[in-house]
Amino acid sequence: DSGVTQTPKHLITATGQRVTLRCSPRSGDLSVYWYQQSLDQGLQFLIQYYNGEERAKGNILERFSAQQFPDLHSELNLSSLELGDSALYFCASSKGLAGTGEQFFGPGTRLTVL
Amino acid sequence: AQSVTQLGSHVSVSEGALVLLRCNYSSSVPPYLFWYVQYPNQGLQLLLKYTSAATLVKGINGFEAEFKKSETSFHLTKPSAHMSDAAEYFCAVSVANFGNEKLTFGTGTRLTIIP
Repeated sequence: DSGVTQTPKHLITATGQRVTLRCSPRSGDLSVYWYQQSLDQGLQFLIQYYNGEERAKGNILERFSAQQFPDLHSELNLSSLELGDSALYFCASSKGLAGTGEQFFGPGTRLTVL
Repeated sequence: AQSVTQLGSHVSVSEGALVLLRCNYSSSVPPYLFWYVQYPNQGLQLLLKYTSAATLVKGINGFEAEFKKSETSFHLTKPSAHMSDAAEYFCAVSVANFGNEKLTFGTGTRLTIIP
């Protein structure tokens, strides 16, 4: 158990819909990262938040957005869903203080868009 | 920008044989390097990490990796494979950048253990 929790574990929805994925980082970790894992794209970095502020963006679509709340949990919002958005979405956390860069991953949310 | 190349998307070894999974990296600044393992329907678990201390890094489950700057490599090895090692393995790189340490992953290597 990494200490990172993600909910829900599975999500099945239809094209055009909007969903919210939730992540709680390890106690004491200030950085939260979102990654997407799909068969054709592999593991791709989406976005990072550090202590409530956006710090880095990767290959995140404009239809996707995220935020980190004062209690440090984070949400990833996916809207106008397309079939190609079906993937495993991971959240990871780290202390984010220029340490070793080690990230701890949650179990993931598997999103299926029908 | 940094990148990782994993040679061999599938590797099969016999139980008890040496496991060697290859990873080469590219980074314009000194990197941090990681190996993660993913079991079916699970998240990623850190096996080991290189953070500019010892070049030979020992991890969990008997795995180790050696950082070779001249070869820009960070290959993962285990002397004797066990059936429980069957999983997907990802090499990843990041750089020390305050509060911004995204991981860049390789495409993964699926390890199969032959009984």
